[in-house]
Amino acid sequence: AQSVTQPDIHITVSEGASLELRCNYSYGATPYLFWYVQSPGQGLQLLLKYFSGDTLVQGIKGFEAEFKRSQSSFNLRKPSVHWSDAAEYFCAVGGLTGGGNKLTFGTGTQLKVEL
Amino acid sequence: EAGVAQSPRYKIIEKRQSVAFWCNPISGHATLYWYQQILGQGPKLLIQFQNNGVVDDSQLPKDRFSAERLKGVDSTLKIQPAKLEDSAVYLCASRRDRGVQEQYFGPGTRLTVT
Repeated sequence: AQSVTQPDIHITVSEGASLELRCNYSYGATPYLFWYVQSPGQGLQLLLKYFSGDTLVQGIKGFEAEFKRSQSSFNLRKPSVHWSDAAEYFCAVGGLTGGGNKLTFGTGTQLKVEL
Repeated sequence: EAGVAQSPRYKIIEKRQSVAFWCNPISGHATLYWYQQILGQGPKLLIQFQNNGVVDDSQLPKDRFSAERLKGVDSTLKIQPAKLEDSAVYLCASRRDRGVQEQYFGPGTRLTVT
């Protein structure tokens, strides 16, 4: 069965500081990995995705993530956080399986940005 | 391109009442998903449609939840009767086809059962 672990429930950073959100996954085949962001009262917006190829992927809003197969990780990073980045971030894993290509989400990391 | 539309945005009902949510996916998207997101948790898949057929409903509590996508476009999710533990945000998402993994989400419907 596929699963995602986001070990940090809450993270607080100062504006301008760097950010790393952790994500570990369990998946029996080649995983497709995603990071989504959810602002209060909003749906989920895709930040970036990894399907294959270069293990460092760039996304929107200056975010990037690195796929490390040996560590089963897909951590999200941003070199300089802006106050508008405060939101909840979800990591998800999926794949081309007989289960209909469904995504499994982690429990999320709530990001607070201090001015 | 218009995004995934959902209505209503908010709904408050008493336990044992029924409720229905509506979703209109992005035009041309064959796959439609309904997720339940309980406060403090990630979205959990309830049901997946491919056109008007059900692909996966293994997580759908079928004794009280039902969903349909009759013409392969709009979809309705119903709860009857509602329980307190059904309080959550119900998210609809769509995807173009099987080969493309990216899902696009609507704003969700926040359900409160009192």
